[in-house]
Amino acid sequence: ETGVTQTPRHLVMGMTNKKSLKCEQHLGHNAMYWYKQSAKKPLELMFVYNFKEQTENNSVPSRFSPECPNSSHLFLHLHTLQPEDSALYLCASSPYLGANTEAFFGQGTRLTVV
Amino acid sequence: DAKTTQPNSMESNEEEPVHLPCNHSTISGTDYIHWYRQLPSQGPEYVIHGLTSNVNNRMASLAIAEDRKSSTLILHRATLRDAAVYYCIQITGANSKLTFGKGITLSVRP
Repeated sequence: ETGVTQTPRHLVMGMTNKKSLKCEQHLGHNAMYWYKQSAKKPLELMFVYNFKEQTENNSVPSRFSPECPNSSHLFLHLHTLQPEDSALYLCASSPYLGANTEAFFGQGTRLTVV
Repeated sequence: DAKTTQPNSMESNEEEPVHLPCNHSTISGTDYIHWYRQLPSQGPEYVIHGLTSNVNNRMASLAIAEDRKSSTLILHRATLRDAAVYYCIQITGANSKLTFGKGITLSVRP
């Protein structure tokens, strides 16, 4: 248990569906991250939020839309996804954005697009 | 992005020490070296990080070379639960991005 909770743990959605992934932490952290891990590939950083403000968008397609309403919650809204978007989506948080701090990861949401 | 190089895989025996190497020849003065590990079907887990001197915590030790161009993660007594992918990550102070490579897959033999 890392203190970072992701829901749902598993999600199957059609290409025309709209769904949202949720990430929650009550660690008092101010930085939050979304990562994507496709099969047999390294983790890819998607988005970074610092004090609710987006500081990084790593050329992510617009069908992925992040939202950070407060420092404790992070959402990833999904619409019109493709089968190649099937992956493990991981959320992480850290006390602040910096090199001298550790990140805590959630267990991930296993997404399957059919 | 700052790059590190690690072997693809390593095998060890249970209850023996494990030394996982990492090269980071492009490291600059303010870059930290971080290690994370990922067990099967789980999110990555922080292991340890350091800047210049060696670091110890309850999970592992980190030995950083004097020129800082390489480091070694030391698991003092491997257990079966230590079988995982271990990632060595160089984080620059400028952008502070936690960028993962392929890591090294550690197998532990009973």
